[in-house]
Amino acid sequence: GAGVSQTPSNKVTEKGKYVELRCDPISGHTALYWYRQSLGQGPEFLIYFQGTGAADDSGLPNDRFFAVRPEGSVSTLKIQRTERGDSAVYLCASSLLGNTEAFFGQGTRLTVV
Amino acid sequence: QKEVEQDPGPLSVPEGAIVSLNCTYSNSAFQYFMWYRQYSRKGPELLMYTYSSGNKEDGRFTAQVDKSSKYISLFIRDSQPSDSATYLCGAGSYQLTFGKGTKLSVIP
Repeated sequence: GAGVSQTPSNKVTEKGKYVELRCDPISGHTALYWYRQSLGQGPEFLIYFQGTGAADDSGLPNDRFFAVRPEGSVSTLKIQRTERGDSAVYLCASSLLGNTEAFFGQGTRLTVV
Repeated sequence: QKEVEQDPGPLSVPEGAIVSLNCTYSNSAFQYFMWYRQYSRKGPELLMYTYSSGNKEDGRFTAQVDKSSKYISLFIRDSQPSDSATYLCGAGSYQLTFGKGTKLSVIP
């Protein structure tokens, strides 16, 4: 695709529910990143995939958060038992390799009510 | 101390001015540096990518990295109202650590 695509663009969910956020990276990019951005802050790293494997998941805040990339392309960020503090914009980025220019999608704005 | 520090502003300049945006970082392991522009309710847009100390120029934008002082700068020449946005600096070795962003307004 032309750029990184994230769906949905907006998601409102009730506290305690499960959500899945999808990221479709730029074709051919082996590296994929998830970040979380709160209002007035810069993006905060969550997890980095190189191919199908999670090379670094040190930014995931707790075990309610999980991400997969089973075929080395599309990735899904999964959040269980959502809390109001999970409300933020979840950004996905991809790069050709792990240390080259990273391009972001438009983000998914998650609101937990 | 955050690993990447950036003055959040806001910064307001007249159209045509030269803008200087700055960040400092603390982690010596950071190898590459990026500047992004983010419009309200949009994803960050990559402006500049640099790997070494020195200057890199692209049109009206110049990125400067000084690894000895751990200082990153972005200069915007002939600023335009369309440059009004939040500018994010990022540094890292594969995943990026970002500053808070500086909100810039260019007044016509």
